[in-house]
Amino acid sequence: NAGVTQTPKFRVLKTGQSMTLLCAQDMNHEYMYWYRQDPGMGLRLIHYSVGEGTTAKGEVPDGYNVSRLKKQNFLLGLESAAPSQTSVYFCASSATGNTEAFFGQGTRLTVV
Amino acid sequence: GDSVTQMEGPVTLSEEAFLTINCTYTATGYPSLFWYVQYPGEGLQLLLKATKADDKGSNKGFEATYRKETTSFHLEKGSVQVSDSAVYFCALSAGNQFYFGTGTSLTVIP
Repeated sequence: NAGVTQTPKFRVLKTGQSMTLLCAQDMNHEYMYWYRQDPGMGLRLIHYSVGEGTTAKGEVPDGYNVSRLKKQNFLLGLESAAPSQTSVYFCASSATGNTEAFFGQGTRLTVV
Repeated sequence: GDSVTQMEGPVTLSEEAFLTINCTYTATGYPSLFWYVQYPGEGLQLLLKATKADDKGSNKGFEATYRKETTSFHLEKGSVQVSDSAVYFCALSAGNQFYFGTGTSLTVIP
């Protein structure tokens, strides 16, 4: 019963490097989300998707891109990493916009 | 816009004490309300939910009632345990997005 799986779990990047975080869900959910969690700031929505082939900006989208080519996967890309992107990233999915979200275990990213 | 405000932490309680974590919300329309819990090093897990006014969500001894008149969804537990030590997030869903509070850290000491 996998639920929402994020890879990788940890990553250290140098400033200017790029990387992609992968989120996969096996619950056939339409909605998927990427959040970042920083101390004292709770969770902030980066991007979200309401279905395969769709994406939309959240509260803090700058410096990130996303793609939802397959319903079960939601990719988060950093084209040129900056130290300000050091954070814990969580992916989540939900069946609809009003039902509970299920979260992955998180990816701890450090940009040096 | 839609938002959630929850009680600042950290909160430290002795085992078997009563817990209240306050949460108020601002929303247009009729949001669903949630409490999530996050244990160290883990993702958020749904603790309980309520989808309409006057609904009471409950799970593992925790309760919260959706109060439309006071726009609140306070989390309560009658007798906390050491294993309840975690960070608790209040959240609402409206349209296509979830809105989370900043989280309240709870430590329960024996």
